Amino acid sequence: EIQLQESGPGLVKPSQSLSLTCSVTGYTITSGYDWSWIRKFPGNKMEWMGYISYSGSTNYNPSLKSRISITRDTSKNQFFLQLNSVTTEDTATYYCARGAMMVIPFDYWGQGVMVTVSS
Amino acid sequence: DIQMTQSPSSMSASLGDRVTITCQASQDIGNNLIWFQQKPGKSPRPMIYYATNLANGVPSRFSGSRSGSDYSLTISSLESEDMADYHCLQYKQYPPTFGGGTKLELK
Repeated sequence: EIQLQESGPGLVKPSQSLSLTCSVTGYTITSGYDWSWIRKFPGNKMEWMGYISYSGSTNYNPSLKSRISITRDTSKNQFFLQLNSVTTEDTATYYCARGAMMVIPFDYWGQGVMVTVSS
Repeated sequence: DIQMTQSPSSMSASLGDRVTITCQASQDIGNNLIWFQQKPGKSPRPMIYYATNLANGVPSRFSGSRSGSDYSLTISSLESEDMADYHCLQYKQYPPTFGGGTKLELK
């Protein structure tokens, strides 16, 4: 069974960087698919942030392009999110998910990690 | 970006009711729309993909339809386990974009 699990700090100070890890079991991230980060804001709105593909290429939401980086460690079957210069507007629940533009996008998700940006 | 306008943002309904949630796309997305269900504390679950196709394991009381740029998720007879947030997502064009979500509660 494919499982994704996010981890990382739940509190980040404004202007600092947010760093999260997604650990994948049951599927090797270099075997196929894109591996995405998605966030859900208070108030229910969701935003796709970007992905790293099975080959290592990346694609980011233009709204975040100057602040976001998605990388991976294939030896640990993990991929990572770094979001720089955070503000309170980045307070959200962050999810990792499999897929992007495919027949059934985002077919597997992690359980999410809530991140609060506050001093 | 393609804007997805989802309505209503919240609604309450009784068990057995027929419930419809709608998303309107700002540009042509064909049938590249998916509906997710999200229960409190859980991750989103695909329900309907490619506008009208039921995902694996989804009860047949759920259905999806399209009329032009309007996409609908319908629950034919509401059950208690259907209380959740529902989100539409277009995946025709990058970046994929979500509707604003609908919170479905029991009346």
